[in-house]
Amino acid sequence: GDSVTQMEGPVTLSEEAFLTINCTYTATGYPSLFWYVQYPGEGLQLLLKATKADDKGSNKGFEATYRKETTSFHLEKGSVQVSDSAVYFCALWISSNTGKLIFGQGTTLQVKP
Amino acid sequence: NAGVTQTPKFQVLKTGQSMTLQCAQDMNHNSMYWYRQDPGMGLRLIYYSASEGTTDKGEVPNGYNVSRLNKREFSLRLESAAPSQTSVYFCASGGSGRAYEQYFGPGTRLTVT
Repeated sequence: GDSVTQMEGPVTLSEEAFLTINCTYTATGYPSLFWYVQYPGEGLQLLLKATKADDKGSNKGFEATYRKETTSFHLEKGSVQVSDSAVYFCALWISSNTGKLIFGQGTTLQVKP
Repeated sequence: NAGVTQTPKFQVLKTGQSMTLQCAQDMNHNSMYWYRQDPGMGLRLIYYSASEGTTDKGEVPNGYNVSRLNKREFSLRLESAAPSQTSVYFCASGGSGRAYEQYFGPGTRLTVT
C-alpha cells in the first residue's frame, strides 16, 4: 500500500545550522507530495508542496524537491532558527485514492540558540 | 475567519463513557477529516467526509462514529471509550480541487482512564 517513511527524530541543531529531514515514499499511482509543520500546541499547517516529478516546493526558507527516481522528498533549510522548532510531517496525496493524505510519522526538530 | 474550531480542548473519560468531539469550519470547504495523533505513529485518518451528506471510513475507524451535520460541522463520537483511544484528535477541512491542502483545528487531547 501507499506509505511515507521519515527519518527518526528528534533532530537537534544549533541556530544557523543546515537542516535535512529525509522522506521517502511508496505509491502505486502518481502522488503529490507535501510537508506539513506542527508548532507546539497547534494543529498542522501546510509548509510546501510539489505535484509532479522534479518540482521544487519552497516556503519560509524551506525547500524540497520531488525525486521520482529515488522516491524521495527531503526537506532542507540552509540556516535554521529557534522559531523553526516544531514537528515536521511528510505526506503524499493520490487523487485516485479518494483524496486522502497519507502522513509519515513526523520528525521533531529542536533548534538551540 | 476562525478557520477550523474544535471543542473541547481537553477531556478525561472513564472507560465505557461516551462523548462527542465537535468540529466546525468557516471556509466553505467540502471535505472534512478526523485524525488521531499518537507518538511515533504520525497522523492516522479515522473518518472523512468528501461532501455534505457523505462519510467514509479511514485507516482506524473502529470504536468511532461520525456525523456530517451540515457543510460546516463534522462530529466524532466515541460510544464506549477505551484506554486505547487516549490520543490527540485533530479535525481538518479541505477545499474543492485542493483537498490536499488541509486546514487543521487546534486539537482535542483525550485521556481515557
